[in-house]
Amino acid sequence: AQSVTQLDSQVPVFEEAPVELRCNYSSSVSVYLFWYVQYPNQGLQLLLKYLSGSTLVESINGFEAEFNKSQTSFHLRKPSVHISDTAEYFCAVRVAGTASKLTFGTGTRLQVTL
Amino acid sequence: NAGVTQTPKFQVLKTGQSMTLQCAQDMNHEYMSWYRQDPGMGLRLIHYSVGAGITDQGEVPNGYNVSRSTTEDFPLRLLSAAPSQTSVYFCASSYLKLGTEAFFGQGTRLTVV
Repeated sequence: AQSVTQLDSQVPVFEEAPVELRCNYSSSVSVYLFWYVQYPNQGLQLLLKYLSGSTLVESINGFEAEFNKSQTSFHLRKPSVHISDTAEYFCAVRVAGTASKLTFGTGTRLQVTL
Repeated sequence: NAGVTQTPKFQVLKTGQSMTLQCAQDMNHEYMSWYRQDPGMGLRLIHYSVGAGITDQGEVPNGYNVSRSTTEDFPLRLLSAAPSQTSVYFCASSYLKLGTEAFFGQGTRLTVV
């Protein structure tokens, strides 16, 4: 079975600083990878996903993630964060070829301050 | 577009009571699922369904029942609530086509006293 590890439960950062949220996965077969964001008291929203092709994927609000097969990682980065990026971020994996079962990591709380 | 709608948003139950959390989607998604979210544990899959009449257990199914009589609805039933079921519950849906994103409801915050 696949699993996801998000080592950092909380990441505090100042506004306009860069940030990296780490995600490692474990699977013996090919996977699809996702990052979801959860703002306070809301459901989860898809931030970006990797299915195949270019290993670098980007979101519309400046986040990017790079799929690294050899290191089984899918770290999320942003070069300059904003206060509005404060949220919880979840990495998720789905085994390629399966019927849509998502496995989530434990989440990383990104706290952006002035 | 309504997307995925969950009701109620908040609920307090006494131990031993039963209730049903409702989930409806209007996107004609084949796949629907229920997760619970607990601090430090991320989201854990309770039950899922790949179509009307088909359900299966996820990671933490004990104490919960589901049914899928229509494509749109996927209710989650707690037969005899326990304090350990205090959590935030999310319903999600997606197409079965591999790689498509899951859409989430706004969640139901359940407290069992």
